[in-house]
Amino acid sequence: DGGITQSPKYLFRKEGQNVTLSCEQNLNHDAMYWYRQDPGQGLRLIYYSQIVNDFQKGDIAEGYSVSREKKESFPLTVTSAQKNPTAFYLCASSVGQVYSNQPQHFGDGTRLSIL
Amino acid sequence: QQPVQSPQAVILREGEDAVINCSSSKALYSVHWYRQKHGEAPVFLMILLKGGEQKGHEKISASFNEKKQQSSLYLTASQLSYSGTYFCGTDLTQGGSEKLVFGKGTKLTVNP
Repeated sequence: DGGITQSPKYLFRKEGQNVTLSCEQNLNHDAMYWYRQDPGQGLRLIYYSQIVNDFQKGDIAEGYSVSREKKESFPLTVTSAQKNPTAFYLCASSVGQVYSNQPQHFGDGTRLSIL
Repeated sequence: QQPVQSPQAVILREGEDAVINCSSSKALYSVHWYRQKHGEAPVFLMILLKGGEQKGHEKISASFNEKKQQSSLYLTASQLSYSGTYFCGTDLTQGGSEKLVFGKGTKLTVNP
């Protein structure tokens, strides 16, 4: 079955450490997104990518970095510069940009906590 | 620019109806609706386009009021499986943009 796989499901970060969250999709989608979800805050966009080797900052990109070397993969690195990283992180993909009005398909998320 | 969803939470008995609103301070061009169960991925419900028709998904339907800059989600004869948090995602850019802005969500609880 096609879908989006996020790993790990749970992740713990030590002070000063960078951690990388994996997102892989086999839907052959062009667009991929990373969201951060905090209780009562909805989904906030961190980064998005419309095509391989290109990505744009979302609304809360500070302290995060991404890469898009392959169409199916869009890993997110939470750097030590992100002082409040504890959250639920969701990866999504869609066939194309929003103005093609295609739905976003989400992975099951990674819950990141501070040790 | 974050859309405002109302109510923040609603509790229903099985079989009752509910309406969830998503309001924007700017003109809307499309609205996406998603449902998320606790600890799970959001699941796509439907997309409403400016000038488009009211959409339906099982006993869940939605409307788009261009004048009020608002979309409403209607859940009729609610089922236990409807419980979850409902999010609207809005596209505020004429001609479309690459990203959605999501509301904070409405938590729906359906009790037996």
